[in-house]
Amino acid sequence: SQTIHQWPATLVQPVGSPLSLECTVEGTSNPNLYWYRQAAGRGLQLLFYSVGIGQISSEVPQNLSASRPQDRQFILSSKKLLLSDSGFYLCAWSGTRGPQHFGDGTRLSIL
Amino acid sequence: EDQVTQSPEALRLQEGESSSLNCSYTVSGLRGLFWYRQDPGKGPEFLFTLYSAGEEKEKERLKATLTKKESFLHITAPKPEDSATYLCAVQPFSGGYNKLIFGAGTRLAVHP
Repeated sequence: SQTIHQWPATLVQPVGSPLSLECTVEGTSNPNLYWYRQAAGRGLQLLFYSVGIGQISSEVPQNLSASRPQDRQFILSSKKLLLSDSGFYLCAWSGTRGPQHFGDGTRLSIL
Repeated sequence: EDQVTQSPEALRLQEGESSSLNCSYTVSGLRGLFWYRQDPGKGPEFLFTLYSAGEEKEKERLKATLTKKESFLHITAPKPEDSATYLCAVQPFSGGYNKLIFGAGTRLAVHP
């Protein structure tokens, strides 16, 4: 069966510091991969998606970037974090059709 | 513009008190509609997929239905463990990838 791992679960970072969040999927090949941010009381906002290695599309302009160095690895990064980058970050995978399946998220707090 | 609206924002029920959550959508061609359950501090957990009007899916105390403009998640005789946020998402035909548009969710609290 397929599983998705996302870490760390919580992270506290100072303003201006770099960021790297990692997500890996097991049990499937060539998945679509996604990064979302979820604000309290609001829906999930899609940040990036990838349909293959090295193929990254951004949905919204922001201080973040994403990379897919391997088929089942998706990384969310920032060179300098802003206070507005605080939030709950979720990674997800899917096939070409059907539902997306989510990891357990990373709670990011910027001080 | 593709859009998903869920109501109510929050719902408080007594254990055993059945109710329904609503998901209204506007989309230029519906490929599928998905329901998720999200517990605090966790990622959404997939529940159901609905593809066409009139379709119904059931799992334990939950039943999801779909019309051309909305979907309902019916909860029959809920228990405290059903407390969670329920998210609805639509997948339009346009987008070129497996795009989902999410509603803001309904927070359900079931009290004993």
